[in-house]
Amino acid sequence: SQELEQSPQSLIVQEGKNLTINCTSSKTLYGLYWYKQKYGEGLIFLMMLQKGGEEKSHEKITAKLDEKKQQSSLHITASQPSHAGIYLCGADIRGAQKLVFGQGTRLTINP
Amino acid sequence: ETGVTQTPRHLVMGMTNKKSLKCEQHLGHNAMYWYKQSAKKPLELMFVYSLEERVENNSVPSRFSPECPNSSHLFLHLHTLQPEDSALYLCASSQSNSGNTIYFGEGSWLTVV
Repeated sequence: SQELEQSPQSLIVQEGKNLTINCTSSKTLYGLYWYKQKYGEGLIFLMMLQKGGEEKSHEKITAKLDEKKQQSSLHITASQPSHAGIYLCGADIRGAQKLVFGQGTRLTINP
Repeated sequence: ETGVTQTPRHLVMGMTNKKSLKCEQHLGHNAMYWYKQSAKKPLELMFVYSLEERVENNSVPSRFSPECPNSSHLFLHLHTLQPEDSALYLCASSQSNSGNTIYFGEGSWLTVV
């Protein structure tokens, strides 16, 4: 099994709806990174969480790291077509800046 | 624009060719990374350079040969590749100590024919 599991693998939502993507680790996280990727392109950094219970927001995207530092969620409020893409969580599980990644969540926003 | 530039963006090569991927970062970072992204597989860490020394070689076949001549440049030399090596190769950089943001380039699409 993978060290980092993302769910769901794909998500289709109506524009304006809220959504949540989850990322679960089998190990304690030293850092949890969220990235967005458009198909075939590079990763765009969204947020990084380190402390248990930490929550960060950027525009309509909020990410949380649970108290035990083994799970993170990414929540998008009032989704827009510009939110479409692949969301990837990356985890530093060794405290060494060497990230392992989940398989990604492909988000489609229907107008 | 993330400050990490990769060239070429697309490369098609035969199995007997030798080619190189180049990465340059303009962020003043001291660690650089190569990742591989294949269809239906998670991003895989290949190599890590910290302060120009290789600190991670993640069981990558020897037909991939990294080079880090200075803290701003990273190369991936390719020779006698296989079709299954076709993938998106992503370069990244950061400060080497834990807890720093890791920035990625746009990637180089490699097709081996």
